[in-house]
Amino acid sequence: QKEVEQNSGPLSVPEGAIASLNCTYSDRGSQSFFWYRQYSGKSPELIMFIYSNGDKEDGRFTAQLNKASQYVSLLIRDSQPSDSATYLCAVKNTGFQKLVFGTGTRLLVSP
Amino acid sequence: DARVTQTPRHKVTEMGQEVTMRCQPILGHNTVFWYRQTMMQGLELLAYFRNRAPLDDSGMPKDRFSAEMPDATLATLKIQPSEPRDSAVYFCASGLPLLLDKSAGRTYEQYFGPGTRLTVT
Repeated sequence: QKEVEQNSGPLSVPEGAIASLNCTYSDRGSQSFFWYRQYSGKSPELIMFIYSNGDKEDGRFTAQLNKASQYVSLLIRDSQPSDSATYLCAVKNTGFQKLVFGTGTRLLVSP
Repeated sequence: DARVTQTPRHKVTEMGQEVTMRCQPILGHNTVFWYRQTMMQGLELLAYFRNRAPLDDSGMPKDRFSAEMPDATLATLKIQPSEPRDSAVYFCASGLPLLLDKSAGRTYEQYFGPGTRLTVT
């Protein structure tokens, strides 16, 4: 079992729809969770992070964390073609400063 | 604007040759991470440094890889000898600690450089 799992996609949504990206993790002691966006041929860039159960909103993005289910998600409202990218989930495990990344979900937003 | 720089951006070399990749972290960031990204494995942490001291290099093949931070403005990743399976994009990231509560532990906001695309033939 991988430490951080994501569906590779592609996830296809029409412009204006809500895109829902999901991530599960195996270490129950994981403390903080990050979502990165990576455009093709570019480096990852941080979108947002969350460390408490519940929802955290930032503009069109909402991160949701459920530690009991070991599940973190990213919702993108009013999806735009410019949101088309690979979204990487990263998890900071107990006692370490390093992040463990999932392999990413490719999102395609069609005009 | 402040950003992480990496050189070279692209490197093609033959098997057995030495490869050195360089990273200049954002001024003031005291933590540097080295990652490798491939289609099969995704993004893997190779090593990281805090205040120039190596904290974890467990992700790095020790027989051929070495990472150093000779000063606060330069981090290096060296492969000697290189092999075709080393072909990947190598990213450097520098980090600032996030001021979170104790439940989150010590956590860093990481800023990635543009990467070095390495091809070993």
